[in-house]
Amino acid sequence: EADIYQTPRYLVIGTGKKITLECSQTMGHDKMYWYQQDPGMELHLIHYSYGVNSTEKGDLSSESTVSRIRTEHFPLTLESARPSHTSQYLCASSETIDIAGELFFGEGSRLTVL
Amino acid sequence: KQEVTQIPAALSVPEGENLVLNCSFTDSAIYNLQWFRQDPGKGLTSLLLIQSSQREQTSGRLNASLDKSSGRSTLYIAASQPGDSATYLCAVGSYNTDKLIFGTGTRLQVFP
Repeated sequence: EADIYQTPRYLVIGTGKKITLECSQTMGHDKMYWYQQDPGMELHLIHYSYGVNSTEKGDLSSESTVSRIRTEHFPLTLESARPSHTSQYLCASSETIDIAGELFFGEGSRLTVL
Repeated sequence: KQEVTQIPAALSVPEGENLVLNCSFTDSAIYNLQWFRQDPGKGLTSLLLIQSSQREQTSGRLNASLDKSSGRSTLYIAASQPGDSATYLCAVGSYNTDKLIFGTGTRLQVFP
């Protein structure tokens, strides 16, 4: 069973607030990802990291930012949330770095911006 | 550029039927292929991972096959149950990218 955790699971906030979605994994995986998914729609990769101090932008442009100070922790931050940011955010990790390996996902964080 | 397609987009069947879900990819130079299950509002659960050197993988009532030359994978679900209702996604790992490419999924409903 995968050991990757996301908090909060659900968040409802007002426009303009700063929010941070937390993601932690206990598997020692170097590679971590953030995906964005609207209800019933496909996943879009927005950020990924090869390891500590590594962050890369994904295929879908996002106003969010990420940091990777510790191997196990990959938080995502929105400085000023807007209704267009309403979505589900999924964190994932994999053991391999160079080639896509088996991916393990967290339960997701569902964000609603009013 | 690798593209992954899943057919059908939605499927509704009575309990007990054997099912086949399809996944097609355009570039056969793949490293692996992974099948996931996603329940509404939840994250993805890994079901089966097939390496490029393998032809199939089995887990319980699930069997996934891989045919690289034709660019296809199938997920076979035996004796379907209402608890199998979910969206099933396939994702391909290719040599020319270090990111998985996801299909759009098949939404399965199994009714009693």
